[in-house]
Amino acid sequence: GAGVSQSPSNKVTEKGKDVELRCDPISGHTALYWYRQSLGQGLEFLIYFQGNSAPDKSGLPSDRFSAERTGGSVSTLTIQRTQQEDSAVYLCASSGTEGNQPQHFGDGTRLSIL
Amino acid sequence: SQQGEEDPQALSIQEGENATMNCSYKTSINNLQWYRQNSGRGLVHLILIRSNEREKHSGRLRVTLDTSKKSSSLLITASRAADTASYFCAPRTGGFKTIFGAGTRLFVKA
Repeated sequence: GAGVSQSPSNKVTEKGKDVELRCDPISGHTALYWYRQSLGQGLEFLIYFQGNSAPDKSGLPSDRFSAERTGGSVSTLTIQRTQQEDSAVYLCASSGTEGNQPQHFGDGTRLSIL
Repeated sequence: SQQGEEDPQALSIQEGENATMNCSYKTSINNLQWYRQNSGRGLVHLILIRSNEREKHSGRLRVTLDTSKKSSSLLITASRAADTASYFCAPRTGGFKTIFGAGTRLFVKA
């Protein structure tokens, strides 16, 4: 079946603009995760959803970052008033109904802020 | 949730050699997962070892877990150039939040 799909794969935008990143999880996966990965670094946890709710938003770097998930499926990560330090790869993953299950990742959105 | 710490940070070996990378963590776990990330791609789950297991095999991969030392190791036997990637461990303690470490960068020279 289809894996996790992220769009766009690349996004270049000017500082100060808003951007929306989209994630389509594997069908039936109730958990969805967002991570940020700077060049050559590990993954930084941003947020996870269980269904449509986000019990833990502690990883969001600032109030310019927000995420939502509708219908228990597609999720959107929005970054308002982008800054150059927001440049990174944003990875999405999904997993099944129980915690501790392996995560399935998309190939990410590479975001570049000019 | 807790973070695993991978060691070494980087490893360079010749094709055909074995590669061993380690993961340490701090508190008791439910299971520990290993992932691979090829350049420009997302992470791929390789293997999951439960806290009551000591060793697990998958093809050329062998994972061990020592809960008394709070450590795990990933062994890749007879490495290939295609094994060049970053490898991450994820100790899971329950729940969904997952903290990944900085990973081990493996470079396999042909």
